[in-house]
Amino acid sequence: AQTVTQSQPEMSVQEAETVTLSCTYDTSESDYYLFWYKQPPSRQMILVIRQEAYKQQNATENRFSVNFQKAAKSFSLKISDSQLGDAAMYFCAYRSEGYGQNFVFGPGTRLSVLP
Amino acid sequence: DAGVIQSPRHEVTEMGQEVTLRCKPISGHDYLFWYRQTMMRGLELLIYFNNNVPIDDSGMPEDRFSAKMPNASFSTLKIQPSEPRDSAVYFCASTSGKADTQYFGPGTRLTVL
Repeated sequence: AQTVTQSQPEMSVQEAETVTLSCTYDTSESDYYLFWYKQPPSRQMILVIRQEAYKQQNATENRFSVNFQKAAKSFSLKISDSQLGDAAMYFCAYRSEGYGQNFVFGPGTRLSVLP
Repeated sequence: DAGVIQSPRHEVTEMGQEVTLRCKPISGHDYLFWYRQTMMRGLELLIYFNNNVPIDDSGMPEDRFSAKMPNASFSTLKIQPSEPRDSAVYFCASTSGKADTQYFGPGTRLTVL
């Protein structure tokens, strides 16, 4: 079974600075998807970014980018120019390739943004 | 699209009472998932459906929990009888088999006194 680990329960960053959230996973599969979800105090789970394992190029969405290291099974999230609205819980998630497979979520990292 | 809709948003009940949580997935999505989120256990998958059929219910904690999906636009998660340890946020999510991303509802915060 796949597992997802987020070793940083809490992180903080100064507004306008850059922060990196770590995620590692364990799998024997070669094709899969990885995701970062954001959960602000409103509780809504919001997709931040996704990465297909077969793509070597790291995904980027505006201020959010990932560093995907397939061999190391690492999938970190970099937030540039941090904003107060980035404060939230961030969950890393793994999904197997295939039709409608369910996700495996990490325990989450709580990010605080300091003004 | 309105996104995944869940009701109620908040539910407070007393131990022993029956609780029913409701979910309307995104139109056209053929997979529906129920999750439970607690501080201690994080986000746990309870059950998921494909084309209204339960595929994997191994995450359902015990017989007090049941889930149904009578049609493509509606699902319920029922707890009977409820216990204080069931207090959590329950999320519903849906996806299309052709897609790879799950879309979450706003969650239902359940408090069992």
